[in-house]
Amino acid sequence: DTAVSQTPKYLVTQMGNDKSIKCEQNLGHDTMYWYKQDSKKFLKIMFSYNNKELIINETVPNRFSPKSPDKAHLNLHINSLELGDSAVYFCASSQGQGVFYEQYFGPGTRLTVT
Amino acid sequence: GENVEQHPSTLSVQEGDSAVIKCTYSDSASNYFPWYKQELGKGPQLIIDIRSNVGEKKDQRIAVTLNKTAKHFSLHITETQPEDSAVYFCAATSQFLRGADGLTFGKGTHLIIQP
Repeated sequence: DTAVSQTPKYLVTQMGNDKSIKCEQNLGHDTMYWYKQDSKKFLKIMFSYNNKELIINETVPNRFSPKSPDKAHLNLHINSLELGDSAVYFCASSQGQGVFYEQYFGPGTRLTVT
Repeated sequence: GENVEQHPSTLSVQEGDSAVIKCTYSDSASNYFPWYKQELGKGPQLIIDIRSNVGEKKDQRIAVTLNKTAKHFSLHITETQPEDSAVYFCAATSQFLRGADGLTFGKGTHLIIQP
């Protein structure tokens, strides 16, 4: 009965590979997000997605692309992985798109690029 | 854009004592200030928030204060308990920003409750 779930929990891969992280929410929320948390715990938003509208943080490389097959899922695809992509990636969801809506976070996916 | 500074980076207090975490923000347009708690191996969870039209908000043992003039807000935890041990993040944003322009987080405070 997990509200926001992510798979896998851990992902170890080599530079240059392409990988995906899956996210699902069963809260019936309209908006989903991807965040990146670096080794110093700094948390930064990457994307938000609402009703097929994607808002991208301008600092995110275009090697990262979110894909939403339906309202309950927002997967993160990463091409040509680099060492600097190593981080914990969090998916989140909220009932609406405004900042006043509480965001519910998943447990995170720890990505290690070697 | 918004810049949020958070202090201290680590805070160790005795069980039962109070803990205070402080944040400053740079954008005077910011009007929403949530606080998140992240336990080991888990995602952040909203614990309390405050909007700019109030100066203080309290929920049981936790409270948040906001000084708009100084662009400063703080989290206060009283009667600390072992389960309060976690990393706490402050954030700031404006209701006029959406999605990826939204929350700007501080760098986190690792709160350690000593038994």
